[in-house]
Amino acid sequence: EADIYQTPRYLVIGTGKKITLECSQTMGHDKMYWYQQDPGMELHLIHYSYGVNSTEKGDLSSESTVSRIRTEHFPLTLESARPSHTSQYLCASSGDRGIYEQYFGPGTRLTVT
Amino acid sequence: RKEVEQDPGPFNVPEGATVAFNCTYSNSASQSFFWYRQDCRKEPKLLMSVYSSGNEDGRFTAQLNRASQYISLLIRDSKLSDSATYLCVVNGANDYKLSFGAGTTVTVRA
Repeated sequence: EADIYQTPRYLVIGTGKKITLECSQTMGHDKMYWYQQDPGMELHLIHYSYGVNSTEKGDLSSESTVSRIRTEHFPLTLESARPSHTSQYLCASSGDRGIYEQYFGPGTRLTVT
Repeated sequence: RKEVEQDPGPFNVPEGATVAFNCTYSNSASQSFFWYRQDCRKEPKLLMSVYSSGNEDGRFTAQLNRASQYISLLIRDSKLSDSATYLCVVNGANDYKLSFGAGTTVTVRA
């Protein structure tokens, strides 16, 4: 089992609120990723990081931002939540050089009202 | 064109049946290939990596055809617990980012 954790698991919040979705892993992986997935739809990469102080935008444009101050921690922040941000957010990590498989956290299901 | 394309299904099969499905990928320089399984409203979980020589893990067999750029998954002796969406996943050339297909849904009925 992968040791990657996300909190909260479910969040219902009003429009305009600032939110931070937490993601932590205890595997010492240097690479971490955030995906967005709507029900029944495919995963879209929104942010990734290949190490501390390194962050990049993914293939799907997102109004969220991320930070990577510690290896094990990769939080995602929305400054002002909108109903269009309602989705599932999945965090993943991958490890050593040459190892490509990613391990996912349980996800945060966000609903913005 | 999507990087990874899959038949969405659904494939409805009885218990004990064999079911197989493919996906195609567009980047000929892709190096790593995987099948992930995703249950409804859960996170994707790695099912198996796919090697050039083909590989088997219990009732699951994966094949890779680099020339035609497709990957297959075969499930033998289907169980009710095999009901899930199966995601075909490839990486880009020299890239740790993965591209996920939209998934093939398999439903095994009693």
